Amino acid sequence: AQSVTQLGSHVSVSEGALVLLRCNYSSSVPPYLFWYVQYPNQGLQLLLKYTSAATLVKGINGFEAEFKKSETSFHLTKPSAHMSDAAEYFCAVSEGSGGYQKVTFGIGTKLQVIP
Amino acid sequence: NAGVTQTPKFRILKIGQSMTLQCTQDMNHNYMYWYRQDPGMGLKLIYYSVGAGITDKGEVPNGYNVSRSTTEDFPLRLELAAPSQTSVYFCASQTRTAEAFFGQGTRLTVV
Repeated sequence: AQSVTQLGSHVSVSEGALVLLRCNYSSSVPPYLFWYVQYPNQGLQLLLKYTSAATLVKGINGFEAEFKKSETSFHLTKPSAHMSDAAEYFCAVSEGSGGYQKVTFGIGTKLQVIP
Repeated sequence: NAGVTQTPKFRILKIGQSMTLQCTQDMNHNYMYWYRQDPGMGLKLIYYSVGAGITDKGEVPNGYNVSRSTTEDFPLRLELAAPSQTSVYFCASQTRTAEAFFGQGTRLTVV
């Protein structure tokens, strides 16, 4: 069965500092991996997606994530945090065959950006 | 491009009342989902559907019902509302490559 572990329910960084949000997954088959962002009082929106085409995935707003099979990790990074990055971030994994892909979400990491 | 539309955005219910949360998508996705989100708990899957006429239970289906008569619509019915159903509810649709599109959410309070 697939699962997702996000290390750290709350992360604080200073404006301009590196953002690193950790995600480890378990899956019995090569998965799709995702990061979603949720701003206050909004739904989740896709930040980036790994589909095995490249291990380093670039997303919106300067975020990127690297798929490391040996570590079963898919950590999210951004070189320089902006105040507008304050939000909750969810890692997700999907696996399946044929048409239906079952998606499992992590519990989320709230990112605080300190001026 | 509307995407996934949920109504209402906010609702207060009294214990024992019933209501239907509406969800419509215009992307022709077969897969649709209802989640609830509680603080610090992430997303819990209530029900999902892989196509019109097909629905199945998720992790936390008790107290809820769904139907899927068309590809576009996936309403969630709460019967006999209880305080434990106070939550934020999200509807989502999903592509065949598992990319999910979420609605803006419905914030429900049961008093």
